[in-house]
Amino acid sequence: SAVISQKPSRDICQRGTSLTIQCQVDSQVTMMFWYRQQPGQSLTLIATANQGSEATYESGFVIDKFPISRPNLTFSTLTVSNLSPEDSSIYLCSVGGPSTDTQYFGPGTRLTVL
Amino acid sequence: DAKTTQPPSMDCAEGRAANLPCNHSTISGNEYVYWYRQIHSQGPQYIIHGLKNNETNEMASLIITEDRKSSTLILPHATLRDTAVYYCIVRVAPGSQGNLIFGKGTKLSVKP
Repeated sequence: SAVISQKPSRDICQRGTSLTIQCQVDSQVTMMFWYRQQPGQSLTLIATANQGSEATYESGFVIDKFPISRPNLTFSTLTVSNLSPEDSSIYLCSVGGPSTDTQYFGPGTRLTVL
Repeated sequence: DAKTTQPPSMDCAEGRAANLPCNHSTISGNEYVYWYRQIHSQGPQYIIHGLKNNETNEMASLIITEDRKSSTLILPHATLRDTAVYYCIVRVAPGSQGNLIFGKGTKLSVKP
């Protein structure tokens, strides 16, 4: 299985600022996914990030609000821009690949926007 | 939208078997049934998956009906640490590029 770490584990941010979340994997993976989990809700996919190409965003999520970088096969960042209280959620990265049977998830980043 | 239906909550006594049902009546021939769980304040954890045969690993057993329209996850001897939200997910075959689509899951409470 893949070991995934995220930084920060939690943060409290002011309205209008941005937060960049880092996701580090202990092995090279083709695909990385970013999910959002709003309070009391299930997980919703934000985007899929492949190394060397633009991220693919799900309906309702746009690049200007959630820019993603994927500079190599073990690392990705998700930025949540122009924060509002509605962005308060847990953000999780996940990895999968053509040779794996499943996806593994990071521990999540808990964001609170005041 | 999620392709599965699960009861929103279940209780189980510690040490007893927990049987979590899932309906997936529109499952396609190339879709597998996956189970994940999410313990409070943690990321989802993979449990088990299967296509049509029953599967067992160190964590749980997965029973899939012959018509594949429903399945049951069995935790044989539930402990307090098994308290979590359990998600049943159908997705295309392993090794594909597809992501996981989460429904609301079943909140399992294991009680002493």
